[in-house]
Amino acid sequence: DGGITQSPKYLFRKEGQNVTLSCEQNLNHDAMYWYRQDPGQGLRLIYYSQIVNDFQKGDIAEGYSVSREKKESFPLTVTSAQKNPTAFYLCASSMGETGAAEQYFGPGTRLTVT
Amino acid sequence: GESVGLHLPTLSVQEGDNSIINCAYSNSASDYFIWYKQESGKGPQFIIDIRSNMDKRQGQRVTVLLNKTVKHLSLQIAATQPGDSAVYFCADLLPPGGYNKLIFGAGTRLAVHP
Repeated sequence: DGGITQSPKYLFRKEGQNVTLSCEQNLNHDAMYWYRQDPGQGLRLIYYSQIVNDFQKGDIAEGYSVSREKKESFPLTVTSAQKNPTAFYLCASSMGETGAAEQYFGPGTRLTVT
Repeated sequence: GESVGLHLPTLSVQEGDNSIINCAYSNSASDYFIWYKQESGKGPQFIIDIRSNMDKRQGQRVTVLLNKTVKHLSLQIAATQPGDSAVYFCADLLPPGGYNKLIFGAGTRLAVHP
């Protein structure tokens, strides 16, 4: 089955540690995205990538980093510089700028930092 | 499961009734809109989309209405079922020429009662 996978589903870290969230897709989509979701709010864009080896900051990129070495993979690192890292993180993909705008979402990773 | 959006506006309906979820957008240049459904602890799922050259689009049990004059769209769910209980987000696409950036609303929680 084609789709997007995120792992792990739950992640716990101590404050001051970097943590990397995995996102893999086998939809052959060019574009991939990372969103953060907090209670009472919609999704906010952290980073996006339209093509391999290229990525751009979204609206709330501070304290996060990404890489796009492969088309299928777009890992997100939450660094110790992120002041409020506890959140639900969602990865998405789409066909790309010239394709449909519909974004397909993964199941999410809930990160808790104490 | 977890709850996302603990303080969202809530629409409570009886099973079998029709539901109407409303959404306002701010960018008059937006030309593409999507409704997503998000169940607790999961990623958003695509429901239906509509382009700005349309006023109405129907899917299976769902209808989206777009009023560009007042920058408003609504999602109508016919014969609401318990499985429709979820948070519903509308999203609009920034004008073409850029990447596929979707701007998400805060969401509305739909609670279906037997």
